Amino acid sequence: QKEVEQNSGPLSVPEGAIASLNCTYSDRGSQSFFWYRQYSGKSPELIMFIYSNGDKEDGRFTAQLNKASQYVSLLIRDSQPSDSATYLCAVNLPLYGGATNKLIFGTGTLLAVQP
Amino acid sequence: DGGITQSPKYLFRKEGQNVTLSCEQNLNHDAMYWYRQDPGQGLRLIYYSQIVNDFQKGDIAEGYSVSREKKESFPLTVTSAQKNPTAFYLCASSMESNQPQHFGDGTRLSIL
Repeated sequence: QKEVEQNSGPLSVPEGAIASLNCTYSDRGSQSFFWYRQYSGKSPELIMFIYSNGDKEDGRFTAQLNKASQYVSLLIRDSQPSDSATYLCAVNLPLYGGATNKLIFGTGTLLAVQP
Repeated sequence: DGGITQSPKYLFRKEGQNVTLSCEQNLNHDAMYWYRQDPGQGLRLIYYSQIVNDFQKGDIAEGYSVSREKKESFPLTVTSAQKNPTAFYLCASSMESNQPQHFGDGTRLSIL
């Protein structure tokens, strides 16, 4: 089982719709969860992070975390063509009894927002 | 402006040659990381460093080496032992290892 799994897509949504991106993870000890946006040929850009169960909203973006189900999602409201990119989910993996951590990245979901 | 600077943007390696990728940050972050990204794949961790003069191997360290002599700098050397070096190399930094990581613009390495 992969440590962080995402549907590769493409996920196609019409402009103005809500895009829902999902991610599951395998390590129950993970405490920090991150969403990055990566445009083609560019480096990843942090857009959201969440540490606690529930929802966290920032503008058009909402991150949702359910640790019991080992599931984290990203909702993008009022999707715009400029949101078309690959969205990477990243989950921290505690190492050495929690003395340090490393991030495990999913392979990303390609989002296409149709005008 | 605070940020992470990677250079060069594009790099070509000849057979048997070692090449060094530069990564400098002025965010005063303690932790720095090197990742490799291949088409259609996620980011894979090469090396990471939590403090100056200390670094750890990641998941794919073979054929690579690093140093961390200054807090601001974490250069990556791709040695001739790395037989498939063509990839997009990303440097990142964070305040601590469980905090958000911020990325540089990356270096694209190709074989001549």
